[in-house]
Amino acid sequence: KAGVTQTPRYLIKTRGQQVTLSCSPISGHRSVSWYQQTPGQGLQFLFEYFSETQRNKGNFPGRFSGRQFSNSRSEMNVSTLELGDSALYLCASSLGSYNEQFFGPGTRLTVL
Amino acid sequence: QQQVKQSPQSLIVQKGGISIINCAYENTAFDYFPWYQQFPGKGPALLIAIRPDVSEKKEGRFTISFNKSAKQFSLHIMDSQPGDSATYFCAASKYDNDMRFGAGTRLTVKP
Repeated sequence: KAGVTQTPRYLIKTRGQQVTLSCSPISGHRSVSWYQQTPGQGLQFLFEYFSETQRNKGNFPGRFSGRQFSNSRSEMNVSTLELGDSALYLCASSLGSYNEQFFGPGTRLTVL
Repeated sequence: QQQVKQSPQSLIVQKGGISIINCAYENTAFDYFPWYQQFPGKGPALLIAIRPDVSEKKEGRFTISFNKSAKQFSLHIMDSQPGDSATYFCAASKYDNDMRFGAGTRLTVKP
């Protein structure tokens, strides 16, 4: 069974640009969550999608958005990039509530 | 938004020793408490998890102790091995998978 895949693995952008990250969950998983990991702030919850609906959102500005498609694949978008957005962005998929979340390897975003 | 406090930040243990990591949470709506292990360059991987209706759960060398009244839980790694050297995160979640993580503990097991 293939694991969670994230593309691209590495990304370099400049301030003011926008970026779209992609996550393909494990087959059959309907929940996809996104997290930002930085050395200073640790792992922070961005948002979670279940069956194409956003169920919850963390405390991030509106520049961070996401969506989920009917095949459960998910994308997250960050507009007007800031230097502080440099981080490892992780997505995790699960069957649903209270199920193990399986993490992908992450996308390392560097904002110059 | 740090709703889960984790300590210590780093831990050094001799091979064969016991590693203990502690976490405390604030939101009583949390009802799922997993521990994740992360190696450099990898995403976190679930180690063990507990629900609040149980005070202890053991899987191999890993044990979670849970104290609902104190809103605290801890991870014990028995017979620690060099291969256990990694960063460990506690987390707390509600039904909607809104998972809040602790800051992480970097564990080093010396041979």
